[in-house]
Amino acid sequence: GQQLNQSPQSMFIQEGEDVSMNCTSSSIFNTWLWYKQDPGEGPVLLIALYKAGELTSNGRLTAQFGITRKDSFLNISASIPSDVGIYFCAGTFGGNNRKLIWGLGTSLAVNP
Amino acid sequence: ETGVTQTPRHLVMGMTNKKSLKCEQHLGHNAMYWYKQSAKKPLELMFVYSLEERVENNSVPSRFSPECPNSSHLFLHLHTLQPEDSALYLCASSQDGRGTGELFFGEGSRLTVL
Repeated sequence: GQQLNQSPQSMFIQEGEDVSMNCTSSSIFNTWLWYKQDPGEGPVLLIALYKAGELTSNGRLTAQFGITRKDSFLNISASIPSDVGIYFCAGTFGGNNRKLIWGLGTSLAVNP
Repeated sequence: ETGVTQTPRHLVMGMTNKKSLKCEQHLGHNAMYWYKQSAKKPLELMFVYSLEERVENNSVPSRFSPECPNSSHLFLHLHTLQPEDSALYLCASSQDGRGTGELFFGEGSRLTVL
């Protein structure tokens, strides 16, 4: 079945550093979304992207819908300890937009 | 009230038990979902309800039985589960069932099957 390749699998950074993670697919996607999951919580939507080339920010977070529609990236600027968590990409493709395809997540650790 | 609430947060059950997970959304949404989250696997969609009608069932074993009595409540009835069913079960809701991907998740119910 359809899979998303999310990388890196994990990151350990110093507070204040910028972070970049990405997601790629073998098929053209109609939407790209980025979620964050804190320990013991459910995922929370950070950014949703609906058009190729779209660049959207949410505070220190910026995400882009790749021009080829087969990839997306998420950047976090000036990381802080509360950025710790697992970041998931997700997307919809084809005619069945009801089903989301999820990446395996990027685990982020921030050293104060 | 928070947007989507799930109970219980933790559940331990034997393979012969019958239990239920409950989900309630306070967002006025029309679609509700059950997902299974296991280590090293992508989130797995189990069931989708739109306007209280089940619109998707992703080949989930019959030992999982969903129920949606109204647009605000969703249950997952569990019986004769297997140890491999141990996972975090997440409930989510969305404005409608069109699947734009904008989901609001509950905190999850951590299930352990002994």
